[in-house]
Amino acid sequence: AQSVTQPDIHITVSEGASLELRCNYSYGATPYLFWYVQSPGQGLQLLLKYFSGDTLVQGIKGFEAEFKRSQSSFNLRKPSVHWSDAAEYFCAVLNHSSNDYKLSFGAGTTVTVRA
Amino acid sequence: DVKVTQSSRYLVKRTGEKVFLECVQDMDHENMFWYRQDPGLGLRLIYFSYDVKMKEKGDIPEGYSVSREKKERFSLILESASTNQTSMYLCASSLARAYGNTIYFGEGSWLTVV
Repeated sequence: AQSVTQPDIHITVSEGASLELRCNYSYGATPYLFWYVQSPGQGLQLLLKYFSGDTLVQGIKGFEAEFKRSQSSFNLRKPSVHWSDAAEYFCAVLNHSSNDYKLSFGAGTTVTVRA
Repeated sequence: DVKVTQSSRYLVKRTGEKVFLECVQDMDHENMFWYRQDPGLGLRLIYFSYDVKMKEKGDIPEGYSVSREKKERFSLILESASTNQTSMYLCASSLARAYGNTIYFGEGSWLTVV
């Protein structure tokens, strides 16, 4: 079965500094990977997704992620963080090997931005 | 824009009550999902549906049931609410063959069972 690990529960970063959130996945075939963001009291918004092709994926809000098959990783990055980036971030992998098309999520990483 | 609407944002229910959480999507999506979100556990899939009157168990279906009588509406039912079902519940939808399409989420329903 597929699974996702987000090793960092909580990260604090200064406004203007760079941010990297780690994601490791376990999946037998080529993974379909996603990053979602959840602001306090809100639902999840898709930041970016990877299905195939270029391993560096650009998303919304200035985020990017790099798929590294050799490391089973899909880390999310942003060069310069804004206070509005304070949120919880979820990495997810899609099970597409059957008819299920179910997303499995990591436990999430909470990002705090300090002034 | 796709809209997934969860009509009840905040509910407080008593132990043993029957609880209905309603979800409506307005983009004619075939797939609909119910997730439960708990701190440190991320999102866990309760049930999903690929079509009207069809349902499949997710990873944690115990204590829950679902109903999909119309394509746009997917209801989560707690037959007899218990305190360990206090959580945030998220509904989602997508077009068929979701790997090619984004899964869209509602804003969530906060349920407290006392």
